[in-house]
Amino acid sequence: AQSVTQPDIHITVSEGASLELRCNYSYGATPYLFWYVQSPGQGLQLLLKYFSGDTLVQGIKGFEAEFKRSQSSFNLRKPSVHWSDAAEYFCAVNTGGFKTIFGAGTRLFVKA
Amino acid sequence: NAGVTQTPKFRVLKTGQSMTLLCAQDMNHEYMYWYRQDPGMGLRLIHYSVGEGTTAKGEVPDGYNVSRLKKQNFLLGLESAAPSQTSVYFCATMRASGGTFQETQYFGPGTRLLVL
Repeated sequence: AQSVTQPDIHITVSEGASLELRCNYSYGATPYLFWYVQSPGQGLQLLLKYFSGDTLVQGIKGFEAEFKRSQSSFNLRKPSVHWSDAAEYFCAVNTGGFKTIFGAGTRLFVKA
Repeated sequence: NAGVTQTPKFRVLKTGQSMTLLCAQDMNHEYMYWYRQDPGMGLRLIHYSVGEGTTAKGEVPDGYNVSRLKKQNFLLGLESAAPSQTSVYFCATMRASGGTFQETQYFGPGTRLLVL
């Protein structure tokens, strides 16, 4: 069965520092891949998605993610983190059906 | 254009009580979903619907029922609430796109449910 793993439950970075959030999936082919962000007390909002083509995907708020087939990974990156980026981030996978599988999430803390 | 709305925002129930959560959307999306979010477990799919009058079970359907009598509304019912159903519930919608599933899911703001 397909699965999504986000190895880091929480990460703390300093404002202005770079960020990388990890995501690994288990699936035999290339799935549709998503990153969502959830601010406190809010629903989820799409940051970016990948389904084919260029393996480096640009999203909103200055985020990008790179799909690496050989590593079954879809890591999220941002060159310089802002305090407003503090939130919970979810990686998600869809393998071509009605259901999307979400990872457990990584909570990002930003320190001044 | 409200997007996806959920009613109520917060509710406290006693064990054994029943309630219905309402999800409403004005985006004319075909697919609708109910998830629950628990700490450390991400989002787990309870039930979903691919169109008016159709529903299907997700990953954790026990103790819940759903109905989609109108395209814009998706109701989640708890017939006899249990403390294990204390959670945050999210509704989401997605546009059907010719059999592919590349589309974005749009989420409501959530309903916080506490069962005592």
